Amino acid sequence: SYDLTQPPSVSVSPGQTATITCSGDKLGDKYASWYQQRPGHSPVLVISQNTKRPSGIPERFSGSNSGNTATLTISGTQAMDEADYYCQAWDSSTVVFGGGTTLTVL
Amino acid sequence: EVQMVESGGGLVKPGGSLRLSCAASGFTFSSYSMDWVRQAPGRGLEWVSSISGSSRYINYADSVKGRFTISRDNAKNSLYLQMNSLRAEDTAVYYCARGGFGGIGDYYMDVWGKGTTVTVSS
Repeated sequence: SYDLTQPPSVSVSPGQTATITCSGDKLGDKYASWYQQRPGHSPVLVISQNTKRPSGIPERFSGSNSGNTATLTISGTQAMDEADYYCQAWDSSTVVFGGGTTLTVL
Repeated sequence: EVQMVESGGGLVKPGGSLRLSCAASGFTFSSYSMDWVRQAPGRGLEWVSSISGSSRYINYADSVKGRFTISRDNAKNSLYLQMNSLRAEDTAVYYCARGGFGGIGDYYMDVWGKGTTVTVSS
């Protein structure tokens, strides 16, 4: 089975840039998506197709994917961005999620 | 407004069965693949199953294969998950999500319901 690995936690100061990574074998040959889940809420798609922001997602969210690593970047991080973030890929007709990264804004 | 509303969760004993439903609205249901994704307490997201718009393509996670059955009724804009032989480790919030294809090899979930809670305990 295909595995995606994320760091359990990332901390960032308000206004700074947060970077969350997602690693998988030849992940750059696949498409990566990212979801934000605030406590007590359902997941929300923030990046699809490696780099695309759905309607309503702030421009400070961006994504990239190359080699074995996909990256979610949040520029000018705000307190409201504090949440769990999950990467996701599609492999052999199955959906794979990373273990999730808790972003703390302090 | 696009939305999905899950129902059917509850408390069930190990070995028991439960059927989850997801009522969709605000979009052409039959044109989209649909998924079930679960989240155990304090844990991450785990994909459970997918079904294509026509029900032609169905896939399951290994952890539920042979025990869970996904289905849909496009006339009723509804998605279902029949769960049999339930185990304690199936305890989770179960989300219904709309699938999107961006191209070959690209699949993501762009709209999620609020979830329904399943607890398997004696």
